[in-house]
Amino acid sequence: TQLLEQSPQFLSIQEGENLTVYCNSSSVFSSLQWYRQEPGEGPVLLVTVVTGGEVKKLKRLTFQFGDARKDSSLHITAAQPGDTGLYLCAGARGSGNTGKLIFGQGTTLQVKP
Amino acid sequence: DTGVSQDPRHKITKRGQNVTFRCDPISEHNRLYWYRQTLGQGPEFLTYFQNEAQLEKSRLLSDRFSAERPKGSFSTLEIQRTEQGDSAMYLCASSIGWAGGTDTQYFGPGTRLTVL
Repeated sequence: TQLLEQSPQFLSIQEGENLTVYCNSSSVFSSLQWYRQEPGEGPVLLVTVVTGGEVKKLKRLTFQFGDARKDSSLHITAAQPGDTGLYLCAGARGSGNTGKLIFGQGTTLQVKP
Repeated sequence: DTGVSQDPRHKITKRGQNVTFRCDPISEHNRLYWYRQTLGQGPEFLTYFQNEAQLEKSRLLSDRFSAERPKGSFSTLEIQRTEQGDSAMYLCASSIGWAGGTDTQYFGPGTRLTVL
């Protein structure tokens, strides 16, 4: 059973389109991170959200943590080919410094020029 | 570049052989983690260290797997009698290990293991 469910698993869009990736769970997380991973490389951290309802922006990327800290979303505006990659959400449980991360299965995004 | 480094980047071995991977964390990071990632999936936690102490091990870490961090700096992950099902990307991450607040994990480039 996947503790963190990401949807969609695959997304292929044209340059300039907007998209949203969802990360859902029935469990509460103390924090949630979003990573981006290129083929053959390790995940690179994009953002960490900690407070329920928190919204963070990173250029064209907007991240939101659900009020109940059980879900999160990543919205990309005007996607570009450079956004292509595997997007992973990962949750930490317990209070703040909890050790292991629990990852979703990832969303593979392809942005065509 | 002072990020997390892993060696080797790629390893091809025959079933039944032993392999060892090394991870060098970011300097002064107290926590070191190992994850395994198979194709099309997110990383799965294997184990982590606070300095030299191994604090948690996943059930995925069978008795063929052993991890060490003898001096609280670099870590090694050994797999004995490799099986084809061990083929995966093995990722290492490190973090400062604060007692409070969010403890961000930074990942290395991974070691891709192929067992023939």
